[in-house]
Parts: sequence; structure tokens; C-alpha cells
Amino acid sequence: GESVGLHLPTLSVQEGDNSIINCAYSNSASDYFIWYKQESGKGPQFIIDIRSNMDKRQGQRVTVLLNKTVKHLSLQIAATQPGDSAVYFCAERAGYSTLTFGKGTMLLVSP
Amino acid sequence: DAGVTQSPTHLIKTRGQQVTLRCSPKSGHDTVSWYQQALGQGPQFIFQYYEEEERQRGNFPDRFSGHQFPNYSSELNVNALLLGDSALYLCASSLKLTSQETQYFGPGTRLLVL
Repeated sequence: GESVGLHLPTLSVQEGDNSIINCAYSNSASDYFIWYKQESGKGPQFIIDIRSNMDKRQGQRVTVLLNKTVKHLSLQIAATQPGDSAVYFCAERAGYSTLTFGKGTMLLVSP
Repeated sequence: DAGVTQSPTHLIKTRGQQVTLRCSPKSGHDTVSWYQQALGQGPQFIFQYYEEEERQRGNFPDRFSGHQFPNYSSELNVNALLLGDSALYLCASSLKLTSQETQYFGPGTRLLVL
């Protein structure tokens, strides 16, 4: 599920499956990471965040994993539902800088 | 507790015109950031306002300017519009200019330049 060129990667899953969306970040100085969900025609919606002093954080049906060694972030969605269908963005920030977004991954959930 | 609001929702302009977009931050937030999101892309940072001053700026020309008011609301102005300025303009608010502060986004203003 990593961004490649100008094409939006797509992950297609069946309802009830677990989904894993991946993100490779670029700045080794980044110390804060956020996952956003963006539905068509809407602004990005905060899902979960993680600080660089952690490697895992869980929310409701979602888990974010951070591997600083390889600069990789993943979002796991348990028991995926059709309402989870959207574009998912990871964003990173280093210190007092602003958020830098990845290109996004489209998640399609089939009933 | 009101979230981030933006106006207008949609806007159509012609090349060379000027446009002003508005944003009201989430209740209790004092920092506003503006982003441009082209179709199929992630949001790109334009600038950030705190205490009525531009604190950080992304790689956007001077045609893009902004303002923050004492009530923390903000405006984004774009002069001499180009076709390439067509995009979704997003406003995000947060509390204080500190690291690791979550930004919450509004629904955006979709601008079409003809």
C-alpha cells in the first residue's frame, strides 16, 4: 500500500477482513505521525497518532505500528467495514515543523 | 463543540481573478494551517498562522497570502488565479504552536479556475 509515482495505490478487501495500509516516510527526524481518513468530497479525518518514543498504539479497531529503523508506518484496521472505504493518508512531522503528507492509499471494502 | 468550518464550500473563478477563502478553527484552537490538495494527491502545506502572524510557509508563491484575526479565524487569499490553482483548499486547526499537536481539518473549499 505504499505510494508509487502519481498512481494512488488501492487495497481491496472483503468486509470483515483485517486491512493493513503501509506508509514509508522520508524524514528520519520526524517524531510525530498521524493517520487520516478522507472520504470523497470531505476533509481528512483524524484516526490515530503515534509519537516516536512508541512503536505501537491501539485505538478502536485500529492499530498503528511504527518502525523507525526502516522509516515505516502501518495502519491496521480490524474487521473492516464498508464505511471504512476511503483514502488513507499518513502524515509526519519533525519538531515544530508542519505536517508532510504521503500520497495516500485507497481502501475499497466489498460487502 | 464546533469543529473546523470553512466557507464557501465551492467556488468558480476565471484566470486572473482573486479569491478569498475563510476558516473558523475548532473551539479552543488558536493555530490555523492552510493546505492545497490537488486531485489524487495528499494535502500540500501552504502556510500556518498563530497569534495573527504567519509562522511557517510552504513552497507557494507570493500570490498566496493569508490573515488571522483576533478571534483565531483565518483567510486565505489567492491573487492572479491560474488554472493550476484549481484544487481543494483545506484549513486545519490546532492548539498552540507546539510539536506533536494534532491538526483537525475542515471540509475544505473546492476551487475551480476556468
